[in-house]
This record gives sequence, structure tokens and C-alpha cells, in this order.
Amino acid sequence: DIEMTQSPSTLSASVGDSVNVTCRASRYVSVWVAWYQQKSEKAPQLLISKASTLQSGVPSRFGGSGSGTDFTLTISSLQPDDFATYYCQYYMSDSHIFGQGTKLEIK
Amino acid sequence: QVQLQESGPGLLKPSETLSLACSVSGFSFRSGYFWAWIRQSPGKGLEWIGSVYHGGITYYKTSLKTRVNISMDKSTTQFFLKLDSVTAADTAVYFCARGESGSTFDVWGQGAPVTVSS
Repeated sequence: DIEMTQSPSTLSASVGDSVNVTCRASRYVSVWVAWYQQKSEKAPQLLISKASTLQSGVPSRFGGSGSGTDFTLTISSLQPDDFATYYCQYYMSDSHIFGQGTKLEIK
Repeated sequence: QVQLQESGPGLLKPSETLSLACSVSGFSFRSGYFWAWIRQSPGKGLEWIGSVYHGGITYYKTSLKTRVNISMDKSTTQFFLKLDSVTAADTAVYFCARGESGSTFDVWGQGAPVTVSS
């Protein structure tokens, strides 16, 4: 099975900062990567699909990039509501693999 | 507005079968969409359990394949999870979700906590 490895596991930042969360796939996954935000183990919210496609209603300060094996979630100008846990996910019809999560904390 | 709601027993004993239902409102089952179960153990990350497609085709996580069954009832717009022979390791919040073919989980239920304990 493919493994998705996120880094860092925890990230401390301040309101107004820009941050990057990275996700590495154990083998080639093209652009089939999504990013989710989860708060307090409530239902995750889909932010980005197909590596870089922003979902409707998601603020433009969220961005995704990458292809192949290396992917990045960028959040620019952090807002208080952005402090949460973020997961990357490889998806295909017969397999959905999540990264272990990155907790974004207020510095 | 599409809404998903999980239901089922919240407490099981080891070796019992976990049975959950997900009721879908505001949307009908049709081609181009699939339905999935995902779980999250306390303090842990997300784990996909399996998915069912409009035609009834199912896919399961390899390590759970021998114990899991996902089915759907188009007439009631519900889909179901059965997980046999549960242990404490199956204690988790169980989420149901909708996915769009070629994409991933865009609508989620609020989650149903399930505890396995003797």
C-alpha cells in the first residue's frame, strides 16, 4: 500500500504568518492528493482536491501544489480560525490513504 | 443541501458485530458518486474503511477486508457498515461520507462514537 507521510507533525505559528505543510507519497500518485482541515475531531472539511483545486467556499489563502510524490499545502496570512489539524490524502477508487496529520498551533 | 447522519449502537462487547447506518438527505443515490466509511481512533488520524459505488461495487481497506461489509439501499438513501468480531482496537468515531467519482470526500456526517469494551 501507498504511505503518505506528512511533515511536520506539529507546527507553531502566529496569526498573519504563512505556513507550509508537506506530504510525501511512498510512490508515484500523479495529482490524486487532497487536503482536509479538522477541528477537535469533528468532521473533516475538504479544502483542496487534485493537488491544487480549491473547493468552493474555501478561502483563497489556502493553496495546494505538487505532483508525483511531493505535495504542499500553503496557508498564507493565518487567521485564528485556521488553527486546526490538517491531513493529506491519496485517493483512488479502490484506495484512500491519509497522512498522519499536522497539528497547527498558535505560537 | 446534502446531509449525512450516522446511527447505531455506541457500545459493543468484544467479538460482537458493529452495525452502523448512514442516512442521506437532500441527495439521491446516482452514478458519479460513491459512499464511504472512515474512522478515527481516539487521538489518532483518519482511516478509510471502505466505499460502495452506485452499481454496488465495493472496495475495502486491505487489512479490514475479511471483517467488513458495506451495502446500500437506494430506496431509502441509506448505506450501511458491518464490521465483524470487533476488539478494543475498533473503538473509534465512525464517519460516513460522500465522494464524487474522480474526486474524494466532499460531504461528511458528524460522526458516531463507538466503544468496544467488556
